[in-house]
Amino acid sequence: DTGVSQDPRHKITKRGQNVTFRCDPISEHNRLYWYRQTLGQGPEFLTYFQNEAQLEKSRLLSDRFSAERPKGSFSTLEIQRTEQGDSAMYLCASSLLDSYNEQFFGPGTRLTVL
Amino acid sequence: AQKVTQAQTEISVVEKEDVTLDCVYETRDTTYYLFWYKQPPSGELVFLIRRNSFDEQNEISGRYSWNFQKSTSSFNFTITASQVVDSAVYFCALSERGNNNDMRFGAGTRLTVKP
Repeated sequence: DTGVSQDPRHKITKRGQNVTFRCDPISEHNRLYWYRQTLGQGPEFLTYFQNEAQLEKSRLLSDRFSAERPKGSFSTLEIQRTEQGDSAMYLCASSLLDSYNEQFFGPGTRLTVL
Repeated sequence: AQKVTQAQTEISVVEKEDVTLDCVYETRDTTYYLFWYKQPPSGELVFLIRRNSFDEQNEISGRYSWNFQKSTSSFNFTITASQVVDSAVYFCALSERGNNNDMRFGAGTRLTVKP
């Protein structure tokens, strides 16, 4: 399978714990995006990378959220000190640099904070 | 600021009926891109179409067709002869050329096609 993959698919954690999600984009894609999707809403953009550079992070929801893409391949999204309001689906997408945002999405990681 | 409105929260039709999903957008940019994505019950968003702001030609792909009208800032999606497998949430999205990393999605329309 050569699509975008995300791990884990489901995560249940207790409030206050840190969680980290991984995304593996389509191999030749330069750009990688993170979104959050809450119930009944469309995906909400969080941040994106072009290769290893994080070019936009002002839309991250708080300073508890951080993302990395150290070698320009896979990426991780970390949420520190989770809160119940962080419960959502976290989606990763990737695209080619010049495809003008034809983004291919992964299956998402569903986070439940108890 | 860019904004996408999908006023229809849920639509229910019987198989073989035609159905149109509405999308209205707001943007200050003259160059922008519009998209439709499908999110089936499995959850993975599936790309359906991309349109740039200079191409107002309507497009047809099998049972799917799209009507882009800049005059009304609308990009509507029609499914002809709907099938049960069309049941999903459909999202319209907008990306401005000057801000191409930020794709704004509408809230989605949940389509249920009953046999």
